[in-house]
Amino acid sequence: GDSVTQMEGPVTLSEEAFLTINCTYTATGYPSLFWYVQYPGEGLQLLLKATKADDKGSNKGFEATYRKETTSFHLEKGSVQVSDSAVYFCALEETSGSRLTFGEGTQLTVNP
Amino acid sequence: DAGVTQSPTHLIKTRGQHVTLRCSPISGHKSVSWYQQVLGQGPQFIFQYYEKEERGRGNFPDRFSARQFPNYSSELNVNALLLGDSALYLCASSLLGGSGANVLTFGAGSRLTVL
Repeated sequence: GDSVTQMEGPVTLSEEAFLTINCTYTATGYPSLFWYVQYPGEGLQLLLKATKADDKGSNKGFEATYRKETTSFHLEKGSVQVSDSAVYFCALEETSGSRLTFGEGTQLTVNP
Repeated sequence: DAGVTQSPTHLIKTRGQHVTLRCSPISGHKSVSWYQQVLGQGPQFIFQYYEKEERGRGNFPDRFSARQFPNYSSELNVNALLLGDSALYLCASSLLGGSGANVLTFGAGSRLTVL
């Protein structure tokens, strides 16, 4: 079945550092790919998405490019802030569109 | 506009009991999905309902059931609670039932603790 693998955390960075969180996926069709963020005590918020190969999703300085050849959707940000501290989830939606499959999540802590 | 609302926000049950969790989708959204998030893990899909019909079911036992009402709100029911059912239960709504352009909006969740 479909699956998502994220880099193991937690990740701790200093403010203004460069962020990369790796995400690879396994899917039989052509899934849509998502990054969700979860702040402490809250539900999930959509951060960005890409629906086809070579699409780049971007939001709030975060970017991720749908790479079909490497089955990857790595999350990047050039300069992180303390307010970016949260858990980040990579997810895919299968072609039929009835469900999301999530990775295990990556805890990011940004220190001032 | 109100987002996805879930109730209750926190609850504590004992093993063997039954629980009902409720979800109100964003106005105009016709699809509701339920996810279970165990502490430290990613959410796991439980059910999706669209126009009051079940569209998908994850790998959960029959103790888990759900339904969607004519106003598109939804209930998740769990019978014979086990310690392992302790989790954050997330409800998400979307305008349609599928496709990659159909973004899910999540509620804040119901935190269930089973003792």
